[in-house]
Amino acid sequence: KAGVTQTPRYLIKTRGQQVTLSCSPISGHRSVSWYQQTPGQGLQFLFEYFSETQRNKGNFPGRFSGRQFSNSRSEMNVSTLELGDSALYLCASSLSVGGLTDTQYFGPGTRLTVL
Amino acid sequence: AQRVTQPEKLLSVFKGAPVELKCNYSYSGSPELFWYVQYSRQRLQLLLRHISRESIKGFTADLNKGETSFHLKKPFAQEEDSAMYYCALSRPGDKIIFGKGTRLHILP
Repeated sequence: KAGVTQTPRYLIKTRGQQVTLSCSPISGHRSVSWYQQTPGQGLQFLFEYFSETQRNKGNFPGRFSGRQFSNSRSEMNVSTLELGDSALYLCASSLSVGGLTDTQYFGPGTRLTVL
Repeated sequence: AQRVTQPEKLLSVFKGAPVELKCNYSYSGSPELFWYVQYSRQRLQLLLRHISRESIKGFTADLNKGETSFHLKKPFAQEEDSAMYYCALSRPGDKIIFGKGTRLHILP
């Protein structure tokens, strides 16, 4: 099976802009979760989607949002970008029988740089 | 507060020596604990989970509820063990919390 794919792989934006990142899960996986990875804070959970519904949410401001489509593909959006949003954004998918306790299969990430 | 603490940012161990990566947690309830690993230029992947009680690549981890710890151990380090290791916890229906990670460097 093909793994989790994320597009684009690299992105450069300026402060105040917005950005949309895309994630395609492993075929058959219904849960998609998003994470922000930075050198200072490590890996932080953003949100999880299952059957087009947000099932769990981390402690991030409302500028961070996401959605999931009927084919399980997911997008996350960050509005009004700040310098501190520069990070590697990881997406993971799982079968989601047990929610986030299921084995998460991670994508390669999207490297976002905010100038 | 719910959190996962990995006290060592970097751990250097000689090849053939024992390895112990520490993980302590704070959680109200009975979480499931995991170790995830990221090898150089590879994706983050699950190494093991406490409920499986299995040994993966020679690594084991025992959940100590009294000490709220889930340390990762291997008796004899190999060079291919060099990677970033993340301890994490979750519970069905709840979010997942990761520690900040420990970089394991195996010295030849």
